[in-house]
Amino acid sequence: SQTIHQWPATLVQPVGSPLSLECTVEGTSNPNLYWYRQAAGRGLQLLFYSVGIGQISSEVPQNLSASRPQDRQFILSSKKLLLSDSGFYLCAWSVLRGGASPYGYTFGSGTRLTVV
Amino acid sequence: DQQVKQNSPSLSVQEGRISILNCDYTNSMFDYFLWYKKYPAEGPTFLISISSIKDKNEDGRFTVFLNKSAKHLSLHIVPSQPGDSAVYFCAAGGSTGNQFYFGTGTSLTVIP
Repeated sequence: SQTIHQWPATLVQPVGSPLSLECTVEGTSNPNLYWYRQAAGRGLQLLFYSVGIGQISSEVPQNLSASRPQDRQFILSSKKLLLSDSGFYLCAWSVLRGGASPYGYTFGSGTRLTVV
Repeated sequence: DQQVKQNSPSLSVQEGRISILNCDYTNSMFDYFLWYKKYPAEGPTFLISISSIKDKNEDGRFTVFLNKSAKHLSLHIVPSQPGDSAVYFCAAGGSTGNQFYFGTGTSLTVIP
C-alpha cells in the first residue's frame, strides 16, 4: 500500500536560518507531489507541485524553493526564514496524470514550523 | 483569486442533528469535487468526492450534493457526532489541470 512520510513533525527556527523539510512516498511510482501551507486562520495554499524528477512548478512567489531529487522524494527549502514563513506545511501525492481524479490527494501528517 | 470559497468559517451543531457545510466555486471547468476532514496538527484525510456527472453521492452518514448551475456543493452529516468535530475543506479540480483548489475551511463543532 502507498504511504507518505513527512518530517519533522514540529520545528522552531530563528529568523534568517535555513530550512529543509523532507517528504517521501512509498508504494507508488512517478507520483505527482505537492507542498501546501496552512497559515493560521487560512486555508490550504499550494506552494509547489512536481510531476516528475527535477520538474517543479511554483504557484506563489516567496522565500521558499522546492526540489525533487528522486522520484519519490520532495524537499521544501529556504535559505533564510522569515517570520511570515510560520505555518503548517503539508506534503501530498496523487497518481493522476495531468488532471484531477475522484481520489484527490493523500496528505502527510504535516510539519508545524514556527519562526522566532 | 479564490476559486473555491467556504463562506462559513465555523459551525456549531447539537449531537444527533444535521450538519450542513457549504462550498462555492467559480470555475465551470471543474469536474471533480472533494471534501477533506482535518484534525489539529494532522494532515487532511479524504472524506467523500463527487464528479460533475452526478448531483449526489452518499457514503454512510456523509452525503455530498452538487448544484452545477449554481456552482455550489454541500456536505451533509447525519446524524452529527462529537467525533465529527474538525475542520472541513472542500476542494475542486478539473481533468485538464494538475491540482485541486481548496477552500479556506469550516470548523465544525458538534456539541454533546
